[in-house]
Amino acid sequence: NAGVTQTPKFQVLKTGQSMTLQCAQDMNHNSMYWYRQDPGMGLRLIYYSASEGTTDKGEVPNGYNVSRLNKREFSLRLESAAPSQTSVYFCASRGNQPQHFGDGTRLSIL
Amino acid sequence: LAKTTQPISMDSYEGQEVNITCSHNNIATNDYITWYQQFPSQGPRFIIQGYKTKVTNEVASLFIPADRKSSTLSLPRVSLSDTAVYYCLVGDISGGYNKLIFGAGTRLAVHP
Repeated sequence: NAGVTQTPKFQVLKTGQSMTLQCAQDMNHNSMYWYRQDPGMGLRLIYYSASEGTTDKGEVPNGYNVSRLNKREFSLRLESAAPSQTSVYFCASRGNQPQHFGDGTRLSIL
Repeated sequence: LAKTTQPISMDSYEGQEVNITCSHNNIATNDYITWYQQFPSQGPRFIIQGYKTKVTNEVASLFIPADRKSSTLSLPRVSLSDTAVYYCLVGDISGGYNKLIFGAGTRLAVHP
């Protein structure tokens, strides 16, 4: 089915390890987004990419980097994971209609 | 950025109509109102979006009064599968969705 695919679905890291979360969409959307969701809270925007070749900071960018590899793919990297980054990470894409979200990556940092 | 206020939780029964009201007193002229639904272990799903008056689609209706300081999401004849968290977002979407802020949402529980 068409949509937003996130990998991996689950991951456990140790403090200080690095990790790249992958996101790919097959809807030919220009804009892509990375959010994090902590328990009982709404989503917070980490980074977004309005179009291929551009990226911008969102509300909570510290500790993260992103790469818009091509129009389809937008990755999120944690260079040195910290326990405070334990969360569920959602990727979204958008064309002319409102956002489509992936089903998330559950990341635990010990 | 317009701040929104929603009830933390609501309960309903199958077959009833559910109305979830969102307050956004500081809404700006260019802001739209967008509602998302989120099931456990899934990403949010777009439900409906509007600017003023009433918008209806196959899933829900959105009522926006003339002053636009609040909006009401109406779900007709809910079923158990409508149990989810519902988010009201307000913001200028002309430049993208990066300005929309998710609050804690309203947790709707539908009972048999």
